[in-house]
Amino acid sequence: VQLVQSGAEVKKPGESLRISCQGSGYSFTTYWIAWVRQVPGKGLEWMGVIYPDDSDTRFSPSFQGQVTISADKSISTAYLQWSSLKASDTAIYYCARYRDPFDTRVPLEYWGQGTLVTVSS
Amino acid sequence: QSALTQPASVSGSPGQSITISCTGTSSDVGGYSYVSWYQQHPGKAPKLMIYDVSNRPSGVSNRFSGSKSGNTASLTISGLQAEDEADYYCSSYTTSSTRVFGGGTKLTVL
Repeated sequence: VQLVQSGAEVKKPGESLRISCQGSGYSFTTYWIAWVRQVPGKGLEWMGVIYPDDSDTRFSPSFQGQVTISADKSISTAYLQWSSLKASDTAIYYCARYRDPFDTRVPLEYWGQGTLVTVSS
Repeated sequence: QSALTQPASVSGSPGQSITISCTGTSSDVGGYSYVSWYQQHPGKAPKLMIYDVSNRPSGVSNRFSGSKSGNTASLTISGLQAEDEADYYCSSYTTSSTRVFGGGTKLTVL
């Protein structure tokens, strides 16, 4: 199992951005994928999840409406998207796969390498 | 949903045991046996150490153990080693079908 994320990004406030997470070595459509934020020097924050087979999504109240999570199962890739970035979005973003298929109660077992997003004028 | 509460830091000498607590509510830690613990070394992605309160994934040392009582879960590391120095995060499933992390605990091996 591998999750490979897109590279670091440097953006200006107000710009849009989409980062990606490509899964391989397993059935991409049947495992939920989560996105987790880590502000530099701070803790982990669970943002939301997507089920790639039908694009069902769930969000933490803190991130609902702030980001969009999507997936393209034809290329085994999940996305995290912003329409208008803020400086406070500066963070490392990890994608992670749950341990078992179909289930979000189980732990996040496989993690991507992280994507650093820097938002600065 | 609020983050689970962990001590900011703990420390111990090599060979000793330490315990990290993780306090939530009946809507997360207290309501489910879906508590997990992650280890994160600087610049690295988190690594799953304990799941479902007390289970260890394959390959994780048996020096790591987990437990839960009421709304508080705990991670115990016995026989501390220098390589255990890292940040540790607890996480729980919630009644909202989401997940929540703890604020993280920095473990220092003296």
